[in-house]
Amino acid sequence: QKEVEQNSGPLSVPEGAIASLNCTYSDRGSQSFFWYRQYSGKSPELIMSIYSNGDKEDGRFTAQLNKASQYVSLLIRDSQPSDSATYLCAVTSNTGKLIFGQGTTLQVKP
Amino acid sequence: EAGVAQSPRYKIIEKRQSVAFWCNPISGHATLYWYQQILGQGPKLLIQFQNNGVVDDSQLPKDRFSAERLKGVDSTLKIQPAKLEDSAVYLCASSTGADQPQHFGDGTRLSIL
Repeated sequence: QKEVEQNSGPLSVPEGAIASLNCTYSDRGSQSFFWYRQYSGKSPELIMSIYSNGDKEDGRFTAQLNKASQYVSLLIRDSQPSDSATYLCAVTSNTGKLIFGQGTTLQVKP
Repeated sequence: EAGVAQSPRYKIIEKRQSVAFWCNPISGHATLYWYQQILGQGPKLLIQFQNNGVVDDSQLPKDRFSAERLKGVDSTLKIQPAKLEDSAVYLCASSTGADQPQHFGDGTRLSIL
């Protein structure tokens, strides 16, 4: 079992729709959770961090965390073509190391 | 605020040659990380420094990879000798501390011929 799992996609949504990206993790002791966006040929860019159960909203982005289910998600409202990228879920292990998933490719079609 | 600086941006070498990458973190960031990202995969941590001490190097292939952060600021990652499977993007990141959001540099794209 991978430590952090994401569906590689691609996830295709029409412009203006809600994109839902999901991630599961194996370490119950994980305390910190991050979503990074990575455009092709570029480095990862932090877009959200979440540390406690529930929802956290920042503009068009909402991160959701459920520690009991070991599940974290990212919702992107009013998706734009510029949101097309790979979204990386990252989870801090019980040793403090950040573990990344393989990423989900999102395509927003005009 | 200046971001994480890395050089070079691109490097092409032949297998068995050596190569070095340099990273300067965001000012004041005590924690520095080197990652390897192979195409289609997420970044994999190679080594983590807290100031000039190593916190985690469990996934660093120590027979060929080495890294140092002598003055607790900038860092160098070296590969000697390089293998074909080392072709990847090498990313440097920094943060104010472990468990805090990490900020990445632009990376070095390494191609081994």
